[in-house]
Amino acid sequence: GQQLNQSPQSMFIQEGEDVSMNCTSSSIFNTWLWYKQDPGEGPVLLIALYKAGELTSNGRLTAQFGITRKDSFLNISASIPSDVGIYFCAGHDAGNNRKLIWGLGTSLAVNP
Amino acid sequence: SAVISQKPSRDICQRGTSLTIQCQVDSQVTMMFWYRQQPGQSLTLIATANQGSEATYESGFVIDKFPISRPNLTFSTLTVSNMSPEDSSIYLCSVERGTDTQYFGPGTRLTVL
Repeated sequence: GQQLNQSPQSMFIQEGEDVSMNCTSSSIFNTWLWYKQDPGEGPVLLIALYKAGELTSNGRLTAQFGITRKDSFLNISASIPSDVGIYFCAGHDAGNNRKLIWGLGTSLAVNP
Repeated sequence: SAVISQKPSRDICQRGTSLTIQCQVDSQVTMMFWYRQQPGQSLTLIATANQGSEATYESGFVIDKFPISRPNLTFSTLTVSNMSPEDSSIYLCSVERGTDTQYFGPGTRLTVL
């Protein structure tokens, strides 16, 4: 099935560093969602984006809905050990709005 | 957001048996979804469950293997039938709130021996 291209696949950083990850699609999207999943838990919604160019922050997290509607990025500033986890992007394809399309995830490790 | 609970949180089952997973939401929702997440993988949609109608299954998933009930607007069940080790996964329910935004339960970790 359709899948988003999410990169990087994994990151290993030092505490205090900034992090950036992104997702791209081959088609236009109406919604971009960013989730974090801790081991043994369900994904937790971090940020939801609904229109092209939208830039939204949630604490140290910032995400943007690309103006082409085919990409989105998530930035984490001043990383801390509890940022460890897997980050997933997901979105709704404009041509098939009922089903969420998912990226493969970015695994983040933070060295204290 | 939404408060979603799932039961059981984890289980270890024998091949050939069935397991029913429950999903409870803190308030009424129209759309509920069931996902499977295999180890180290992303999420795969199994089916969409709307109250009062039959579930809509994605390609590769069939009702005989994954029967779903949706008796009311706050509850749904997913049954994994005639299990094999390949069914070992995390099973997640989610609900839609607001504009195209899904919120997830904590998941059910299933191991089939």
